[in-house]
Amino acid sequence: DQQVKQNSPSLSVQEGRISILNCDYTNSMFDYFLWYKKYPAEGPTFLISISSIKDKNEDGRFTVFLNKSAKHLSLHIVPSQPGDSAVYFCAASAGGYSGAGSYQLTFGKGTKLSVIP
Amino acid sequence: KAGVTQTPRYLIKTRGQQVTLSCSPISGHRSVSWYQQTPGQGLQFLFEYFSETQRNKGNFPGRFSGRQFSNSRSEMNVSTLELGDSALYLCASSLMASGILPSGANVLTFGAGSRLTVL
Repeated sequence: DQQVKQNSPSLSVQEGRISILNCDYTNSMFDYFLWYKKYPAEGPTFLISISSIKDKNEDGRFTVFLNKSAKHLSLHIVPSQPGDSAVYFCAASAGGYSGAGSYQLTFGKGTKLSVIP
Repeated sequence: KAGVTQTPRYLIKTRGQQVTLSCSPISGHRSVSWYQQTPGQGLQFLFEYFSETQRNKGNFPGRFSGRQFSNSRSEMNVSTLELGDSALYLCASSLMASGILPSGANVLTFGAGSRLTVL
């Protein structure tokens, strides 16, 4: 079963507007959530993260919101720029509770963001 | 600081062959993970190594194996290749101190990947 879901395979946004990427999860043991951005022919690069004890984390144009009761998180990009066009992956980990010291991340399938100039 | 280096970047194999992929982590990083990326499944966890020990393994058949060397470099091997093994194989490294997770996000730094095509 898919524990991390990104239900929108693609999203198109006008330059300067807000991009909102959504992610849902099912595993209550997840205690850290991360967003990665991936350009073609490159590996994913870390964007922003949030701990399960918080509901918001902001870094420049990027803000991640976490709603634990709904098991939902979202990434807001404001304002969106053409260089933001990439595939965005939501990821989660339960390493804090696993006891195994594992860094395993569970990824969603990604959302392709296209920012139109 | 050099990033995560994966070799080869591209390779083509035929069914039944085997392949070995290499990964050099960021200097000082002791944990190396491997992920498989396919269009339909996204990124799926293969395995994770720390100090030459496999710490965790994903849900892949035994044809997929890996190892880590004393210098933290890692290799993964896929034997008896199948068409469905065509994918981007990504290696990631992370900093782990004393085998205990730090109280923060387990940020993985990924390499550019090895694109495997099985014909």
